[in-house]
Parts: sequence; C-alpha cells; structure tokens
Amino acid sequence: KNEVEQSPQNLTAQEGEFITINCSYSVGISALHWLQQHPGGGIVSLFMLSSGKKKHGRLIATINIQEKHSSLHITASHPRDSAVYICAVSSGGNQFYFGTGTSLTVIP
Amino acid sequence: GAVVSQHPSRVICKSGTSVKIECRSLDFQATTMFWYRQFPKQSLMLMATSNEGSKATYEQGVEKDKFLINHASLTLSTLTVTSAHPEDSSFYICSARDRSGGRTDTQYFGPGTRLTVL
Repeated sequence: KNEVEQSPQNLTAQEGEFITINCSYSVGISALHWLQQHPGGGIVSLFMLSSGKKKHGRLIATINIQEKHSSLHITASHPRDSAVYICAVSSGGNQFYFGTGTSLTVIP
Repeated sequence: GAVVSQHPSRVICKSGTSVKIECRSLDFQATTMFWYRQFPKQSLMLMATSNEGSKATYEQGVEKDKFLINHASLTLSTLTVTSAHPEDSSFYICSARDRSGGRTDTQYFGPGTRLTVL
C-alpha cells in the first residue's frame, strides 16, 4: 500500500468547471505539498501546507490533519490547467512520499 | 518566491557517455538538495540526498558509482550519470531545502531534466 494515495487518477473536465483532487496519506507528516507537472515534465510547486487552507489565484488547497486528507481545488478551470497534479508529504527529516499523480485534462 | 533551476532541461546522448545535470538554488542557500527520478507514468522516486560539503546519501538500489552527486556549494548540486545506457533515460528532478527561516520543510523543486540515452 502506498503511503500517499490520490484520486482520481485521471480527470477530464469542461472549461469552467470546479475541480477537486483528493490526497490521503497514512504516515505522520510535517508538511504536504501539491505539485503541478506540465506535459514535457516541468514541475511547479503550488502549495506547501501543514494546516488549514491556502489560496493562490484560482487554486485552493486544504488539509485536515486529523483525517490525514488534503484536497486541491481549481475554480473556473481552464485548458491551461491541464497537467498532472502530484501530492507529496514529508514526514520529517529527509523522508518524502509522493502520490502517483492525477492527470487533469480541461476541454475547451 | 524561491527558485530552483536545472540545466540542461533536455539532453540526448549516446550510450556510454556521461551526462552532468546541474541544480541551482537561485535566491537562497540550500544546505540540502534532493535528486529524484521519474519513469513515465510513475511517481517521483528519491535517488539521493545531497548535503553541502559531505558525501551524498543514496537510497537503496541506487548505484552511487553510476549516479555521482556533488554538492560543492550552498547553491549548487550536480548529478552525473556515468556511462549512460538507454535504461537510464528518465526525467531527473532536483529539489532544494531552504533553512534560512528555520523551517525544516520548505522545499522547492526544480523544473526537471529529460535525459534520453540513444
């Protein structure tokens, strides 16, 4: 069993839809990261959070430490949001665990 | 925000040659840098942890003589894939930890390097 599970694995949405990607983890963490990987491989760090909620533009990330769950929301989705979104957790020290990613396609 | 760069972004080489990939923290000092590898449609896999001024710590199954890591300064770590073979073709990503604010988990990811070995 993976330490980090993401759902869904693949997601197709119409432009303008509200999107939610979920991440559950089974280890104790000190921080959770949401990463965006565009076609071709470049990675962008979207959020790092250890509690509560963060917002950046149309992106919102939440975390519930008690339930060991995080969600990434995209409001008013756009084709340029099409990418793979990866959830990663750090459990202190140098230990990082990565989810397998959610492939998002936003159709115009 | 903090930026981590990698160079080159793409490299194609012949089998048997060595390839060096650089990872730089552009506006902060990174005492620790991490190297990851990603195969197609798979998650990131930690290869090694690089600490400035000391030898890298490799994960189980990663050949330290094949993947040479040097962290010569607080802003630069290099990964050299020696005698590359087609099975080394992959996406290599570095990340750097910024400890300047006292936080232990502020980690920034580079954009990655696509290596293709012919």
